[in-house]
Amino acid sequence: QVQLVQSGAEVKKPGASVKVSCKASGYTFTSYYMHWVRQAPGQGLEWMGIINPSGGSTSYAQKFQERVTITRDMSTSTAYMELSSLRSEDTAVYYCARGEDSFDIWGQGTMVTVSS
Amino acid sequence: QSVLTQPPSVSAAPGQKVTISCSGSSSNIGNRFTSWYQQVPGTAPKLLIYDTGIRPSGIPDRFSGTGSGTTATLGISGLQAGDEAVYFCGAWDTSLNTWMFGGGTKLTVL
Repeated sequence: QVQLVQSGAEVKKPGASVKVSCKASGYTFTSYYMHWVRQAPGQGLEWMGIINPSGGSTSYAQKFQERVTITRDMSTSTAYMELSSLRSEDTAVYYCARGEDSFDIWGQGTMVTVSS
Repeated sequence: QSVLTQPPSVSAAPGQKVTISCSGSSSNIGNRFTSWYQQVPGTAPKLLIYDTGIRPSGIPDRFSGTGSGTTATLGISGLQAGDEAVYFCGAWDTSLNTWMFGGGTKLTVL
């Protein structure tokens, strides 16, 4: 079946970087855009950026422009989101989600905790 | 503060119908499709409605979506206890070049 499986929870110190993976299966990876969305504890959804797995082009939310990098590995049908210069406010669940005008398949989420 | 505005909470008895509004502007809901998501605590969001009014395969017809001007509305009829969740709307904003979400509406089935 179509699914997105993300990497496990991470604990990072302020100033560090984190890289979360999202492995796609059950469909043609290059046929659908992939987004990254995060959710701080008890808060709403916040869009971070998007990648076109076919050509690798990306677009980021202005808020994260300087700190986020989204990449993909077509050989393993995996998308990655790397966030640098972590601070406590980055503590959140990070989701990958497939789609263009909507998000029809979501990963299970990866909890990233930033704490000294 | 979200660009898309939803009521924080709604409630109704089992079997009743509720509507959840999502108010935006001409740069998002006014000229782009809206989608709706259901999130049960501790789980990932689930797509309920896309392109403002279309249900994906497997979503019951108790869920419906409409749009008028800069407001989109999710309707849930025949409420069940299992519908208790937080509901989010979302749309692309052409001015901010960012995907925007509403703040979420918590549905309580009394």
